[in-house]
Amino acid sequence: EADIYQTPRYLVIGTGKKITLECSQTMGHDKMYWYQQDPGMELHLIHYSYGVNSTEKGDLSSESTVSRIRTEHFPLTLESARPSHTSQYLCASSAGGERKLFFGSGTQLSVL
Amino acid sequence: KNQVEQSPQSLIILEGKNCTLQCNYTVSPFSNLRWYKQDTGRGPVSLTIMTFSENTKSNGRYTATLDADTKQSSLHITASQLSDSASYICVVSDRGSTLGRLYFGRGTQLTVWP
Repeated sequence: EADIYQTPRYLVIGTGKKITLECSQTMGHDKMYWYQQDPGMELHLIHYSYGVNSTEKGDLSSESTVSRIRTEHFPLTLESARPSHTSQYLCASSAGGERKLFFGSGTQLSVL
Repeated sequence: KNQVEQSPQSLIILEGKNCTLQCNYTVSPFSNLRWYKQDTGRGPVSLTIMTFSENTKSNGRYTATLDADTKQSSLHITASQLSDSASYICVVSDRGSTLGRLYFGRGTQLTVWP
């Protein structure tokens, strides 16, 4: 069982609100990722990190930002949520050169 | 353009029956291919990995095959169970960088009926 946790599981907020999606892993993995997934569509990489103080944007343009101050923690922030941000956000981690991803259970975000 | 295509998009089978899911890819250079299972409301979980030199690999009732020449993979599920109902995602990794980029298919939604 992968030890990677995301909170909250579900979030319904109004337009313009600032939100932070939390992601923590206890496996000591150096690499962490945020993916966005819409129903019936493939996962899209929006942010990734190779280690502490390292963050990069992914393939899909996103207005969100991330930080990696501690190895185990990789939060994602939206400064001003819009209905177009409604989606499922999945956090994942991997170790070293291994490309096996361990995923959290996801946060289903709905912006009204 | 590197792509991963999965078929069928959805599949309904009766409990106890077998089924086969397909994954075709154009990713190059190829490193490996993974099949993930994603239960509703959960994150994907890795089932198996196939490297260039491997043709077949089993994980319990799941058997994956890889034909690197035709760039096709299949996931065969034997004696399906209700708990097999999930989305099965094919993910291909290239060798273009130190980490390799991942290419995701859209998944096959499998429903097993009693």
